[in-house]
Amino acid sequence: DVKVTQSSRYLVKRTGEKVFLECVQDMDHENMFWYRQDPGLGLRLIYFSYDVKMKEKGDIPEGYSVSREKKERFSLILESASTNQTSMYLCASTLWTGGSGNTIYFGEGSWLTVV
Amino acid sequence: GESVGLHLPTLSVQEGDNSIINCAYSNSASDYFIWYKQESGKGPQFIIDIRSNMDKRQGQRVTVLLNKTVKHLSLQIAATQPGDSAVYFCAVLNSGYSTLTFGKGTMLLVSP
Repeated sequence: DVKVTQSSRYLVKRTGEKVFLECVQDMDHENMFWYRQDPGLGLRLIYFSYDVKMKEKGDIPEGYSVSREKKERFSLILESASTNQTSMYLCASTLWTGGSGNTIYFGEGSWLTVV
Repeated sequence: GESVGLHLPTLSVQEGDNSIINCAYSNSASDYFIWYKQESGKGPQFIIDIRSNMDKRQGQRVTVLLNKTVKHLSLQIAATQPGDSAVYFCAVLNSGYSTLTFGKGTMLLVSP
């Protein structure tokens, strides 16, 4: 089975802190994604990556950056956390599809509270 | 871009009933659709998918129907069980990319 692991399940950070959310997948997937999930807003795409050192902005990239130094690892970075970034963050991965579609697998989520 | 909407934020059913959860999408070029189940405190879990060259696909107790004419997608769960209680999302593949646009979810509540 595909395994997408988010190392931090629950975090509490102070406003202005730099926050790293780490995600690792074990199936050699090319594509990795970061979403945030908020009540009433559903899942919104922050950033995604097609390959090592490649990144693309999603729908809501402001206030976030990402790093993909190794194929299996995709990190989400909050340079200066703000209270409006309190949310659940979901990492996901999938094989490169060439546009034909393949299942996207999710991690268990990281609950971030910024105080 | 793609937008995806769910018709009903909450659906309450009795154990043993059949459940139908609906979804609408906007881009007629969309060609791949997925249903996810998300239990409280967990990440979304894949249930079933369907490509645009199909109208219907069945899994274990679940059926997905795709109506491309009206850009409508539904998930049917047969003999709903309390363990089916969760939020269900439809997701649509954005053409040209491998990213998904999600609906906002329907919470399915199953009472014994």
